[in-house]
Amino acid sequence: AQRVTQPEKLLSVFKGAPVELKCNYSYSGSPELFWYVQYSRQRLQLLLRHISRESIKGFTADLNKGETSFHLKKPFAQEEDSAMYYCALSGTSGTYKYIFGTGTRLKVLA
Amino acid sequence: DGGITQSPKYLFRKEGQNVTLSCEQNLNHDAMYWYRQDPGQGLRLIYYSQIVNDFQKGDIAEGYSVSREKKESFPLTVTSAQKNPTAFYLCASSTGWVQPQHFGDGTRLSIL
Repeated sequence: AQRVTQPEKLLSVFKGAPVELKCNYSYSGSPELFWYVQYSRQRLQLLLRHISRESIKGFTADLNKGETSFHLKKPFAQEEDSAMYYCALSGTSGTYKYIFGTGTRLKVLA
Repeated sequence: DGGITQSPKYLFRKEGQNVTLSCEQNLNHDAMYWYRQDPGQGLRLIYYSQIVNDFQKGDIAEGYSVSREKKESFPLTVTSAQKNPTAFYLCASSTGWVQPQHFGDGTRLSIL
């Protein structure tokens, strides 16, 4: 089955600590992978996508095809990183798919 | 700011009634999408449209209908056949169907 799995519903870290939000996927084909973020009282918005290979707000994500993972990382968490994070996959193998994970709420504690 | 506008923000439906959720975009995007968000389930794709006058069913299309008569508009009708319509509905658009999506603020639908 094609799916995106985010195993943690809630992740709490202290300010300045490293952060890793996990994302695993199952898809037959070559998917595009994305991370979206929703800050309090704001719209869901794109954080980064794997093909751009850029760092946004200090976050990076590497696509590991062998482990079918796309974990989101940041070396030093900031309080303003507190938000809901969604991993998503898009692809056209077979029928078109745009699949979101269930999301991880990140809380950065002072 | 502009981008995608969803209306209304809150909507109440009586049993047996159809309701229509509005989604308008001024981004000149070809593709538009409707998602349903339930607690603990993430976003699930209801319908999508890659171009005007064309749309396709997503994973949970039963009980919903859409139209795409104009590039900027993609209204979603929740019909009486949808037995559990209470949810948060998000509209999105993108330049292409595997591209990043831009989202609206959402509409919360409740049953009276």
